[in-house]
Amino acid sequence: SQKIEQNSEALNIQEGKTATLTCNYTNYSPAYLQWYRQDPGRGPVFLLLIRENEKEKRKERLKVTFDTTLKQSLFHITASQPADSATYLCALAYDNAGNMLTFGGGTRLMVKP
Amino acid sequence: SAVISQKPSRDICQRGTSLTIQCQVDSQVTMMFWYRQQPGQSLTLIATANQGSEATYESGFVIDKFPISRPNLTFSTLTVSNMSPEDSSIYLCSVVLIQGGEQFFGPGTRLTVL
Repeated sequence: SQKIEQNSEALNIQEGKTATLTCNYTNYSPAYLQWYRQDPGRGPVFLLLIRENEKEKRKERLKVTFDTTLKQSLFHITASQPADSATYLCALAYDNAGNMLTFGGGTRLMVKP
Repeated sequence: SAVISQKPSRDICQRGTSLTIQCQVDSQVTMMFWYRQQPGQSLTLIATANQGSEATYESGFVIDKFPISRPNLTFSTLTVSNMSPEDSSIYLCSVVLIQGGEQFFGPGTRLTVL
């Protein structure tokens, strides 16, 4: 079965630095990959979607890369702020028609002022 | 994007009872899903809610335990039946507006079973 790995340890960084989160997967490549932010007690909030034929996607201070050779996606937050502190989830879709997502365990990001 | 509401937002229930969770979307969507997020865990897909027909369940989830309805393109319900403390979780509905597009989540329903 497919396995999706995110660093389970919290990532602590200083305000203003770039946060980089990793999502690794095994076996076959997904059709596309989505990143979400989740705050305690709330539902996930969609951030970015990147398809298998795309190398990089940007949105404001966010950047996602997708390397199908390494079977890895990187999620970057530049000029990080304490308000960026949350858990970040990657989710993979293996079926363009089905849209069913398989989620990683999430990485908690703490940005300190 | 889509505005998704869920009712109730939280509930505390007794063992052996059932709870029905509602999911309402402000626009017609192609697909609706139900997920479960157990304490400290990530999201697990329960089923795809199909309009006008039986839901499609993932491995480990069955209709008798989690009956789902989707009478139209904007509304779905999930029932958690004969609850036990192991059913204590956050239950989330999600929608896709266009096939192959972004998936948006509701705020979740926090269920505690005593």
